[in-house]
Amino acid sequence: AQSVTQLDSQVPVFEEAPVELRCNYSSSVSVYLFWYVQYPNQGLQLLLKYLSGSTLVKGINGFEAEFNKSQTSFHLRKPSVHISDTAEYFCAVSDYGGATNKLIFGTGTLLAVQP
Amino acid sequence: EPEVTQTPSHQVTQMGQEVILRCVPISNHLYFYWYRQILGQKVEFLVSFYNNEISEKSEIFDDQFSVERPDGSNFTLKIRSTKLEDSAMYFCASSEEVRGADTQYFGPGTRLTVL
Repeated sequence: AQSVTQLDSQVPVFEEAPVELRCNYSSSVSVYLFWYVQYPNQGLQLLLKYLSGSTLVKGINGFEAEFNKSQTSFHLRKPSVHISDTAEYFCAVSDYGGATNKLIFGTGTLLAVQP
Repeated sequence: EPEVTQTPSHQVTQMGQEVILRCVPISNHLYFYWYRQILGQKVEFLVSFYNNEISEKSEIFDDQFSVERPDGSNFTLKIRSTKLEDSAMYFCASSEEVRGADTQYFGPGTRLTVL
């Protein structure tokens, strides 16, 4: 069975500071990895995904994530955050080559950007 | 940009009542999903649906739940006799394909409150 762990439930950060949101996963098979963002009163929006190839993945809004197979991690980073980045961020996995593509989510990390 | 829509945004019901949550997936998508998020907990997969059949369902998706695509545009989740523990945010999603790499596009959610 797969699982996703987001250790930080909330990350406060000042505007223009760098941020890293941590995600670790557990799986007995290869997986695809995703980061979704949820702004207040909106649905989940895909930020980026790792399928294969380069371990550094760039997404929308200046975010990037690095896949580390040995550490089973997929941490999300941004070098300089804005107030508008305040949102809930979810890490998720799905089966590589599986029969279905259900997403297994972590508990989410609330990024709170302060002026 | 095409988006997944859900109605209502908030539904309040009495325990034991039936509720139907509605979703309009992106028009050229063929695969549909329901997820839910109980307050403070993970987003959890409920069911996936393709070609008028359930492709996969989770343990949560018991006989109280059913899904239907009643016409060419709507995708519904019915809970026959609601329980207090069904209170959650319910997300609908759709994707073009069922491969694990394909992006699932999420709606804004319906908040279900069971009293």
